[in-house]
Amino acid sequence: SQTIHQWPATLVQPVGSPLSLECTVEGTSNPNLYWYRQAAGRGLQLLFYSVGIGQISSEVPQNLSASRPQDRQFILSSKKLLLSDSGFYLCAWSWATGGEKLFFGSGTQLSVL
Amino acid sequence: KNEVEQSPQNLTAQEGEFITINCSYSVGISALHWLQQHPGGGIVSLFMLSSGKKKHGRLIATINIQEKHSSLHITASHPRDSAVYICAVVVETSGSRLTFGEGTQLTVNP
Repeated sequence: SQTIHQWPATLVQPVGSPLSLECTVEGTSNPNLYWYRQAAGRGLQLLFYSVGIGQISSEVPQNLSASRPQDRQFILSSKKLLLSDSGFYLCAWSWATGGEKLFFGSGTQLSVL
Repeated sequence: KNEVEQSPQNLTAQEGEFITINCSYSVGISALHWLQQHPGGGIVSLFMLSSGKKKHGRLIATINIQEKHSSLHITASHPRDSAVYICAVVVETSGSRLTFGEGTQLTVNP
């Protein structure tokens, strides 16, 4: 069976510090991978998606970047966090055929102070 | 105007009531998802549908492609159904990417 792991669950970081959130998927190969953010009081927003190793598409200009160094590993990063980066970050995967069910990680609550 | 609109934004019901949450979209889609987000933030995918109707337990999801509208129904609601319900669509030209509604906060009181 497939599982998705996302860590850490919570993170408090000062403004200007770097960020690295990691997401790994087990039990499948070549998944589509996604990073979403949910800012307080707002809906989910797609940040990045990837259809393969080294293939990253960015949906919105921002202070964040994503990388996919391995088939089932997706990393969300920032060199210098901003207050506005605070929010709930979710990693998700789907099968590569597209339009399929999404499977979400447990999320990371990021507070930038 | 958002491409995906949900209504109502907030819904309070008594245990046992029949609940309907609506989702309208303005773009061509290849699929529509209904998601449930629990108070702790975790998200579960309830349904993925592209036509017709699906049922799982007390949950029913319908979609009308011509009218660009979907509904999520909960029969015999229970306090444990309290959560945020999110409608998300796969826009036809976007591959697998989802566009989300703002969500509906459902509270079911005992």
